[in-house]
Amino acid sequence: GESVGLHLPTLSVQEGDNSIINCAYSNSASDYFIWYKQESGKGPQFIIDIRSNMDKRQGQRVTVLLNKTVKHLSLQIAATQPGDSAVYFCAESPNQGAQKLVFGQGTRLTINP
Amino acid sequence: KAGVTQTPRYLIKTRGQQVTLSCSPISGHRSVSWYQQTPGQGLQFLFEYFSETQRNKGNFPGRFSGRQFSNSRSEMNVSTLELGDSALYLCASSVGDRSSPLHFGNGTRLTVT
Repeated sequence: GESVGLHLPTLSVQEGDNSIINCAYSNSASDYFIWYKQESGKGPQFIIDIRSNMDKRQGQRVTVLLNKTVKHLSLQIAATQPGDSAVYFCAESPNQGAQKLVFGQGTRLTINP
Repeated sequence: KAGVTQTPRYLIKTRGQQVTLSCSPISGHRSVSWYQQTPGQGLQFLFEYFSETQRNKGNFPGRFSGRQFSNSRSEMNVSTLELGDSALYLCASSVGDRSSPLHFGNGTRLTVT
């Protein structure tokens, strides 16, 4: 069935370093991908999205890369800060209609001082 | 602009009871989706409503139902509660087209005893 998975359940980085969170997806028909950040006690917060006709998109301190050949998605966070500590989810939108997202299991990012 | 508002924030119910959760979307958003989040299963899609019509449905039993009102506000109902229904229920809204990001509320934490 459809699934979106993550390579690592946890990631620790030093404050100020760059972070890279990876995600593998299985549905080659998916054409829209999103990254969310979830802090404790809160709902997922939209970070950045990318459509399948692109392979890179940049936001403020974040970059998403999409490799459709190997069905891989990554989120790069530049100069990580303590406020970046959270669980990060990738999600894909299979071509089955609007708004149905399939989420990965999440990666917990911890920032060390 | 106010975000997605979910009420109540916490709820404790007994097996066999029913529960209704409420969601107010971001102003102007016509699509409301519901997701269940548990430690074991992660984030799973329940259903999506657009202009008062259910547009998409996940793989949950019929005990889970929802509706959307003319002002786009949505409610979700779970009947005959089971212990396994304990979860964080998240509502998300969007403008409604296929590639518009979902914006989540902070959820309703349901505990079934």
